[in-house]
Amino acid sequence: EVHLVQSGGGLVQPGGSLTLSCAASGFTFSAYWMTWVRQAPGKGLEWVANIKQDESEKYYVDSVKGRFTISRDNAKNSLYLQMNSLRAEDTAVYYCVRSVTAEYWGQGILVTVSS
Amino acid sequence: DVVMTQSPLSSPVTLGQPASISCRSSQSLLQSDGNTYLSWLQQRPGQPPRLLIYKISNRFSGVPDRFSGSGAGTDFTLKISRVEAEDVGVYYCMQVTQFPVTFGQGTKLEIK
Repeated sequence: EVHLVQSGGGLVQPGGSLTLSCAASGFTFSAYWMTWVRQAPGKGLEWVANIKQDESEKYYVDSVKGRFTISRDNAKNSLYLQMNSLRAEDTAVYYCVRSVTAEYWGQGILVTVSS
Repeated sequence: DVVMTQSPLSSPVTLGQPASISCRSSQSLLQSDGNTYLSWLQQRPGQPPRLLIYKISNRFSGVPDRFSGSGAGTDFTLKISRVEAEDVGVYYCMQVTQFPVTFGQGTKLEIK
């Protein structure tokens, strides 16, 4: 059974940094693209970033380019999202998602950017 | 970027009756490999989204057959043949034909 267990969320001040982690199990992690999607409170879904199996390709939504970095460790079956220079508008539930086609989703983790 | 537009944004439905949601993309979602990467997601209240349909009409593992998808090019439809209470939630279309991946605004399905 596929599991995506997320950690690392919380409250951070504007301009601060946070790293989200996603521990994958139940499938061959190194065989899949991985994705981060976010959802602001009461709003719809927004794709944030994708990473290819070998990290050779990474894509970001324009609003996070230069501030967020997606990475992975295939040996640890883990996906990461390093978030720097956080803004109030980054406040959202962040989801770790398997593949570009969004087959499986983590439970989501709340990131709140506020002073 | 590809803009995804859903209608209606809210759909009150009677239990046991059909429901239909439309999704239109601002450009064709047909990719050069011959596939159209249009998916439908369901988000029940308080839960993460769940994949229902991929590549227009393919039901994902465990999805009941009362859910079906159709369409081509820029116009797509999700149909529920007989709505059940557990179908309440928000439905999103999503395109992954080109980056950035984009979602529709969401359609809230509720019971009358």
